[in-house]
Amino acid sequence: EVQLVESGGGLVQPGGSLRLSCAASGFTFSNYEMNWVRQAPGKGLEWVSYISNSGSAIHYADSVKGRFTISRDNAKSSLFLQMSSLRAEDTAVYYCARARRYSAGDFDSWGQGTLVTVSS
Amino acid sequence: EIVLTQSPAILSLSPGERATLSCRASQSVDTYVVWYQQKPGQAPRLLIYDASKRATGIPARFFGGGSGTDFTLTISSLEPEDFAVYYCQQRINWPRTFGQGTKVEIK
Repeated sequence: EVQLVESGGGLVQPGGSLRLSCAASGFTFSNYEMNWVRQAPGKGLEWVSYISNSGSAIHYADSVKGRFTISRDNAKSSLFLQMSSLRAEDTAVYYCARARRYSAGDFDSWGQGTLVTVSS
Repeated sequence: EIVLTQSPAILSLSPGERATLSCRASQSVDTYVVWYQQKPGQAPRLLIYDASKRATGIPARFFGGGSGTDFTLTISSLEPEDFAVYYCQQRINWPRTFGQGTKVEIK
C-alpha cells in the first residue's frame, strides 16, 4: 500500500524557517516524480513545487520561488521542503503528492498533510 | 500562468441526480486536465486524468470529457459519498494550476 506521511509542520513567526519532510513507503520512491501542494484554511488547492525522480529537474510556484527549496533522498525514500522567509500567506496544510508515473502532473497519491501556521 | 475557472461554485442536488461540473481554461491545455475529489478533513483523491481516463478504483459513474479549453466532469447518479468538493487541474504547463473548486452539496 502506498503511504506518504508528512511531518515538520507547526507554528512559526513571520520571517522564520521550517523544514517539512515526507516519508514514502509501499512503492519504489526513486521511480516517481514528487510534488508539494498546499491548501490555506478554507481555500482551494495550490501547487507549490515539483522534483523529478532523480532530482535533476525542479519547478516552483512564483509565490514561493527564492524562499522554498525542494529536495529528495531516494536512499531514504524521503521528500523535503525547506521553507524560509515565511509569510502569513504561507499558512496552509502542506501535502506531499506523488505524480502518476511518467505524467509529471497527475497526483495519484497524497499524504494526510501537515499544518504550517505563520503567525506572531 | 493558465487560469482554470470552475462553474458553478456550488451545485445543490439530490442523491440519484446527475451532476455536471465545468472547468474552463484560459488557453488550450489539449487533454491534460485532471479532476480530484476532496472531502472535509481529507486529502484530495485523483478521479480522472487526461480529461477522460478514470483513475484506479474510480466508479464508472464518474466520467470526464472535453479538450482544448472546455472540460466537464459528470457524475451520472449521485451517491451519498459523492457530496464533496471537486477540483480540476492542468498539467500541460508550469506552474501547475487548479480551479477554485465546485462544491456538490445535498439539496
